[in-house]
Amino acid sequence: GESVGLHLPTLSVQEGDNSIINCAYSNSASDYFIWYKQESGKGPQFIIDIRSNMDKRQGQRVTVLLNKTVKHLSLQIAATQPGDSAVYFCAETSTPYSGGGADGLTFGKGTHLIIQP
Amino acid sequence: DSGVTQTPKHLITATGQRVTLRCSPRSGDLSVYWYQQSLDQGLQFLIQYYNGEERAKGNILERFSAQQFPDLHSELNLSSLELGDSALYFCASSATWATHEAFFGQGTRLTVV
Repeated sequence: GESVGLHLPTLSVQEGDNSIINCAYSNSASDYFIWYKQESGKGPQFIIDIRSNMDKRQGQRVTVLLNKTVKHLSLQIAATQPGDSAVYFCAETSTPYSGGGADGLTFGKGTHLIIQP
Repeated sequence: DSGVTQTPKHLITATGQRVTLRCSPRSGDLSVYWYQQSLDQGLQFLIQYYNGEERAKGNILERFSAQQFPDLHSELNLSSLELGDSALYFCASSATWATHEAFFGQGTRLTVV
């Protein structure tokens, strides 16, 4: 079946630098994308989402970019802090707006973000 | 704290046994989702219940079953356990049946020995 995948399993950045985590998706029917952060021993925590009719969305220190042409999603974290260390997952789904919404989220494999002091 | 409560946090059991994982959704949420997270398969959607009824099925084995009770809590039953069933099992809940609005619990770590 179609799946969401991540390009890099581990990303190491210096504290204070910006981090960019990438994700490729293949299901063209997906119309909603979400980034989750998972810290050790915890469940996935929502970071930011974006609908397919948008190409950029900003939150607090995070920005998600969506390129539907190449089916690529990225998460940018500004001024990375030690507390940002975690595994980051992208996920996709089809929402009720596109006739979906009942298939669960399809997750990528995850990228482990490591912050160097 | 997401408001989704899962018990137990840890569970160790032997192969061939049966276990039940419990999930209490956020107050007011009608949907409950179950996900499995393993090292080789990553996070995978298992099943969704909405207001007591099964709404969607993902990669759930026939040995596994779930239900949602009138008080909206849910249980995931895993039977004839195999070593490969060792994983983190997450429950998520949402107010509607829309998957993208779900919040995750802390998970139950199941170890089959």
